[in-house]
Amino acid sequence: KAGVTQTPRYLIKTRGQQVTLSCSPISGHRSVSWYQQTPGQGLQFLFEYFSETQRNKGNFPGRFSGRQFSNSRSEMNVSTLELGDSALYLCASSLKSGKDTQYFGPGTRLTVL
Amino acid sequence: GDSVTQMEGPVTLSEEAFLTINCTYTATGYPSLFWYVQYPGEGLQLLLKATKADDKGSNKGFEATYRKETTSFHLEKGSVQVSDSAVYFCALSPYNQGGKLIFGQGTELSVKP
Repeated sequence: KAGVTQTPRYLIKTRGQQVTLSCSPISGHRSVSWYQQTPGQGLQFLFEYFSETQRNKGNFPGRFSGRQFSNSRSEMNVSTLELGDSALYLCASSLKSGKDTQYFGPGTRLTVL
Repeated sequence: GDSVTQMEGPVTLSEEAFLTINCTYTATGYPSLFWYVQYPGEGLQLLLKATKADDKGSNKGFEATYRKETTSFHLEKGSVQVSDSAVYFCALSPYNQGGKLIFGQGTELSVKP
């Protein structure tokens, strides 16, 4: 089975712009979670989607949003980018929500200038 | 709220040395516990997991036991190899919070030949 794929792998944006990141889960997986990884804050949970519904949300401002499509693919969007949004954004998929093992993609490296 | 604390790194060991990375947690209810590993430039890979007290997770020579009485999930390996050099993350899946994972800050391990 193919693993979790994320596109693009690298992205450079300027302050004030918006960005959309994409995640394709492992085939058959219905839950997708997103995480932000920075040197200062470590790995922080953004949100989880299951069957096109947001199940859980971390402590991030409303500029961070996401959605999930009927084929379980997910996108996250960050509007009005700030320098502090520079990070590695990781998505993870699992069969269903809850305590199922999460499988991570390679991440999208976002740099905000 | 729930949290995970890991021993700080970096940890530098010689090949074939014994490894312990301490991890303690604070959680309500009955979380599941995980160790993930991140190699340079890659996403996270699940190393092992335990879903209830006294469970022992093991994989590739690594072991960790879910100790509810000490709220710990220390990672151990009897003989490390250069290829084990990576960053190790302890994580918990809070009770009844879907697919959310809470991570420790990560411990960088460097193994010298």
